[in-house]
Amino acid sequence: GAGVSQSPSNKVTEKGKDVELRCDPISGHTALYWYRQRLGQGLEFLIYFQGNSAPDKSGLPSDRFSAERTGESVSTLTIQRTQQEDSAVYLCASSFRLAGDNEQFFGPGTRLTVL
Amino acid sequence: AQKITQTQPGMFVQEKEAVTLDCTYDTSDQSYGLFWYKQPSSGEMIFLIYQGSYDEQNATEGRYSLNFQKARKSANLVISASQLGDSAMYFCAMIFTGTASKLTFGTGTRLQVTL
Repeated sequence: GAGVSQSPSNKVTEKGKDVELRCDPISGHTALYWYRQRLGQGLEFLIYFQGNSAPDKSGLPSDRFSAERTGESVSTLTIQRTQQEDSAVYLCASSFRLAGDNEQFFGPGTRLTVL
Repeated sequence: AQKITQTQPGMFVQEKEAVTLDCTYDTSDQSYGLFWYKQPSSGEMIFLIYQGSYDEQNATEGRYSLNFQKARKSANLVISASQLGDSAMYFCAMIFTGTASKLTFGTGTRLQVTL
């Protein structure tokens, strides 16, 4: 079956603009995760969804970041008033259920460049 | 605080040789999961292997094995018979019981396989 998909694959924007990043998880996966990877660094957890609910938003870097998920499928990560430090690859992952032993399947990421 | 440490920023190994990538962790939790992911230059995150903290045997997946030493809080990845296609970034990651399914990543090790 299809894997996790993300769009766009690349996004270049000007400082101060808003951007929306989209993630389509694997069908049937109830859990969805967003991570950020800055150049040359490991992944930084942002937020997870169990169904459409995001119980813990503490990983979001600032109040400019928000995420939602509808219909237990697609999720969007929105960054308002982008800053240059937001430049990174944003990775989405999904898993069959929210449990520690569940493999998270990652999408190809969206590379965001803020000029 | 929970932390994952990968002390080797870069490693070289000759084709067909075995290589060990180090990972240590710091947690007071008794229940947790350990993952290794591979990230080629194309950017996708590829799951390699999983070990639960209560698993009595070290996990193995083909040429990958996880040398789990719970008392020393280490979870080293061993790749046997290295291949040129193994050249990539390798990330150690963990799930802790207090953070649902949030993966905490180390900073990664870049492995280069040479002829």
